[in-house]
Amino acid sequence: EDKVVQSPLSLVVHEGDTVTLNCSYEVTNFRSLLWYKQEKKAPTFLFMLTSSGIEKKSGRLSSILDKKELFSILNITATQTGDSAVYLCAVLVIQGAQKLVFGQGTRLTINP
Amino acid sequence: KAGVTQTPRYLIKTRGQQVTLSCSPISGHRSVSWYQQTPGQGLQFLFEYFSETQRNKGNFPGRFSGRQFSNSRSEMNVSTLELGDSALYLCASSIFQETQYFGPGTRLLVL
Repeated sequence: EDKVVQSPLSLVVHEGDTVTLNCSYEVTNFRSLLWYKQEKKAPTFLFMLTSSGIEKKSGRLSSILDKKELFSILNITATQTGDSAVYLCAVLVIQGAQKLVFGQGTRLTINP
Repeated sequence: KAGVTQTPRYLIKTRGQQVTLSCSPISGHRSVSWYQQTPGQGLQFLFEYFSETQRNKGNFPGRFSGRQFSNSRSEMNVSTLELGDSALYLCASSIFQETQYFGPGTRLLVL
């Protein structure tokens, strides 16, 4: 059975701190790994990672994939209160059709 | 480009009723997937449609069904609603094997 596990499930830090969110997976027919940010609405897309070792960056956020060890990390530097959200890791599985297999999410709270 | 749209945004039904939710994908996207999000189970895959064909279905009972039209718009239907069907139903559209973009969701409450 395809499985995606995120850690920690919950994290509380102070504004300005740097955080690292983890995602490990065990799936068949891996195509890519995606990170989403979810506030009180639908998930918004952050990154899509397909190749190992290539860091993707967007402002203070960055992410990298290790396909040998089957994990990915999402880093957020100089956190702001607006970064408070649930961060979802999902693996795109392709076997003829496609589907996203989601982790449980990490609830990140940034205190001022 | 306009994003994924879903209607209605909120819905209240009673047990035993049925409901139809609608999703309009991003222009040019032919793949539409549906997901159910609950506090206990997280985000779970319901089904995927591509070119009016259901290509994949998650582990949900037959009360959950859907369809896709020639313009790629999709509907999902839940019959004989149960209390446990209360959830946020999310639709995502994509070009096949590429990033899936989510709509705002339909929040269904079953009383």
